[in-house]
Amino acid sequence: AQSVTQLDSHVSVSEGTPVLLRCNYSSSYSPSLFWYVQHPNKGLQLLLKYTSAATLVKGINGFEAEFKKSETSFHLTKPSAHMSDAAEYFCVVTASGGSYIPTFGRGTSLIVHP
Amino acid sequence: DGGITQSPKYLFRKEGQNVTLSCEQNLNHDAMYWYRQDPGQGLRLIYYSQIVNDFQKGDIAEGYSVSREKKESFPLTVTSAQKNPTAFYLCASSMEGQGAYGYTFGSGTRLTVV
Repeated sequence: AQSVTQLDSHVSVSEGTPVLLRCNYSSSYSPSLFWYVQHPNKGLQLLLKYTSAATLVKGINGFEAEFKKSETSFHLTKPSAHMSDAAEYFCVVTASGGSYIPTFGRGTSLIVHP
Repeated sequence: DGGITQSPKYLFRKEGQNVTLSCEQNLNHDAMYWYRQDPGQGLRLIYYSQIVNDFQKGDIAEGYSVSREKKESFPLTVTSAQKNPTAFYLCASSMEGQGAYGYTFGSGTRLTVV
């Protein structure tokens, strides 16, 4: 069994300030973890992924995430928010040894103020 | 360029009507998925298929049907039995057995009941 919890439904930041989107997961197997971004009325775009290699993962557009097994977390960060980062972000878990069917979090809406 | 094409982008359905959403991929991916997205609920799995001529129900399959006659195509029919079909529908694909490396999403179809 696997699940993912995004701890905030909305996060509001000012342009140029750091971004932190929180994600906790549970999995019976070794997990693979992903962050996706969705702009309004669009599909989902892969930001970054963790698949049991380096625990600090760098993605596109300056985002990165750190896999912490002891805390079962995979939080998404960015040092400086840009207006174009305003979107919905989804944390996703799949599990090797399972069926690879992904489980999605409910999403976090990132609001960026000028 | 390889990718997933969903059509139409917007679809309107009358009460009691069946409608079919198209999903085509040219990525040579084995697995394909259909998700429904409602505000604040993340993505919920409707059906998935890991090989041609085979598919499985997801979490919310009632009122929906699919077929997988070709590797490239995975159409979704929303039947009159689906009582609340207004939603954003997303199709995705992945290499079978390699879902740990991520999923490619289409740009979605917004279905509205009129």
